Amino acid sequence: GAVVSQHPSWVICKSGTSVKIECRSLDFQATTMFWYRQFPKQSLMLMATSNEGSKATYEQGVEKDKFLINHASLTLSTLTVTSAHPEDSSFYICSATVLAANEQFFGPGTRLTVL
Amino acid sequence: DAKTTQPTSMDCAEGRAANLPCNHSTISGNEYVYWYRQIHSQGPQYIIHGLKNNETNEMASLIITEDRKSSTLILPHATLRDTAVYYCIGTSGTYKYIFGTGTRLKVLA
Repeated sequence: GAVVSQHPSWVICKSGTSVKIECRSLDFQATTMFWYRQFPKQSLMLMATSNEGSKATYEQGVEKDKFLINHASLTLSTLTVTSAHPEDSSFYICSATVLAANEQFFGPGTRLTVL
Repeated sequence: DAKTTQPTSMDCAEGRAANLPCNHSTISGNEYVYWYRQIHSQGPQYIIHGLKNNETNEMASLIITEDRKSSTLILPHATLRDTAVYYCIGTSGTYKYIFGTGTRLKVLA
């Protein structure tokens, strides 16, 4: 149980386009979802915390207009990278949790490459 | 969230116990110690967590010092598949995780 999926697993796009990444909790309803970004050989950096039906809370230094997060249901959160540029190329990972759990459940990650 | 400090890298012989230390001297009374690992290009995998008592599960053991300022993750019989980056996190339950730099464990044949 407690499986989190991400789609797509990898994406290549041209500079200036927008890319949407989906995060789904497959067998549980997630009260909270988190989005992380990871550059090569670096640790995970928390970008934002998302609760179903409310606006995401972004970490300091993360542009909310560039990284749009929508958490429309208890099983789906989306991250849209708007007007992507090469410096946005990274590994994006989501996680989900529920109040009864004592851990976050992580997705497999999405590798974004912006040309 | 507590700031954590871990060694950058460690090697361990296959079949031997791997002991990974973590310093979390600023941890507060209600913050748990969580351990995750990340195999290359995958999402982090939960290993174990604890508050103040030692914990053991099918994957590992967690030893927390009495003053809670440090802990050690023990993989009792390391295998090549345990090669990964191991992260120690201090947090209050399901609240946000702040990942440190982690320890890159290499298990040697």
